[in-house]
Amino acid sequence: SQKIEQNSEALNIQEGKTATLTCNYTNYSPAYLQWYRQDPGRGPVFLLLIRENEKEKRKERLKVTFDTTLKQSLFHITASQPADSATYLCALEYGGSQGNLIFGKGTKLSVKP
Amino acid sequence: DTGVSQDPRHKITKRGQNVTFRCDPISEHNRLYWYRQTLGQGPEFLTYFQNEAQLEKSRLLSDRFSAERPKGSFSTLEIQRTEQGDSAMYLCASSLLGGDTDTQYFGPGTRLTVL
Repeated sequence: SQKIEQNSEALNIQEGKTATLTCNYTNYSPAYLQWYRQDPGRGPVFLLLIRENEKEKRKERLKVTFDTTLKQSLFHITASQPADSATYLCALEYGGSQGNLIFGKGTKLSVKP
Repeated sequence: DTGVSQDPRHKITKRGQNVTFRCDPISEHNRLYWYRQTLGQGPEFLTYFQNEAQLEKSRLLSDRFSAERPKGSFSTLEIQRTEQGDSAMYLCASSLLGGDTDTQYFGPGTRLTVL
């Protein structure tokens, strides 16, 4: 069965530094992978989607890479701010055109001022 | 675009009672998903609809769970004879088949506590 792992449960960094979160998967080759942000008590909010034929995608201070050989995605937040503190979820599609997602457990990012 | 809404936001019930949750997706979205999320875990897929048709159900969805989307708009998730293990956040998401992305937009969730 598909398995998705996010490298750590928690990541603490200093404001202004770059946060790098890792997502690894096995037993599947997803057509795309997504990253979501989730704040306590709220539903996930979509951030970025990257397709299997894309190596990198950027949105403002966010950057996502997708290495289908390593079966890994990296999620970067540059110039991090305390407001970036949240749990970040990696999700991969596993259903072809169905669009069904399997989520990782998430990494809780804390940015200290 | 008012986003995905869910009602109620919180529900406390006693073991053995039935509960029903409602989800209103983004109006033009034809796909609707239900997920369950427990503390420290990512959302786990339960079921999804394309218009009014329920196309997939997870093995997590025991026979005590039923979901409907009668007119292809809002959806309800019912849990019968609730158990303490059903305590979780129940999330609804919607997406547009054939849209530019396969993005799912999530609602705020319904937090269920079974005493």
